[in-house]
Amino acid sequence: EAGVAQSPRYKIIEKRQSVAFWCNPISGHATLYWYQQILGQGPKLLIQFQNNGVVDDSQLPKDRFSAERLKGVDSTLKIQPAKLEDSAVYLCASSRSASGANVLTFGAGSRLTVL
Amino acid sequence: KQEVTQIPAALSVPEGENLVLNCSFTDSAIYNLQWFRQDPGKGLTSLLLIQSSQREQTSGRLNASLDKSSGRSTLYIAASQPGDSATYLCAPYSGNTPLVFGKGTRLSVIA
Repeated sequence: EAGVAQSPRYKIIEKRQSVAFWCNPISGHATLYWYQQILGQGPKLLIQFQNNGVVDDSQLPKDRFSAERLKGVDSTLKIQPAKLEDSAVYLCASSRSASGANVLTFGAGSRLTVL
Repeated sequence: KQEVTQIPAALSVPEGENLVLNCSFTDSAIYNLQWFRQDPGKGLTSLLLIQSSQREQTSGRLNASLDKSSGRSTLYIAASQPGDSATYLCAPYSGNTPLVFGKGTRLSVIA
């Protein structure tokens, strides 16, 4: 079974620029998550999708972050404009359903550095 | 709001030692708790998922225990190896909120 694919692995941008991250979950996984992990911290949920609908985006800074999951498969996370404090690893994860009984499978992450 | 604390923040042990990582959480009304491993520059790998009705879950040299009423879980690693060096994170699941992660314990096993 192929894992969760993310790209790019690394991105360096200057503040106020924009960036987009892409995620391809495991085939058949209905639930997709985007997490932000700042160095030395645990991951923090930004947004959760169930198929192509948003389940939870309460911690997404909507003035600068946006995410979509077209057709309930791939997802993109965009930041525009980026701030210095957005420097972090952005992790995508997927699971069969939103039930906590399902194990989450994480991608390798996309590391963003904002200068 | 669920808060998760992991102690110690970092741990260094010689190869072969048995060790215990601790996780405490404030909201004991959980369905399950997962332990994850994170290698540098990598994503998270789920190690064990322990249901609220269980007291222990084992996988190889790993054993996770859960005391839901006291809001605590421990991850026991037997006969540690250098390949166990990583950051270990716990995440309780409460059902109506997303997984909340602790900051993790950074483990170094010295050969």
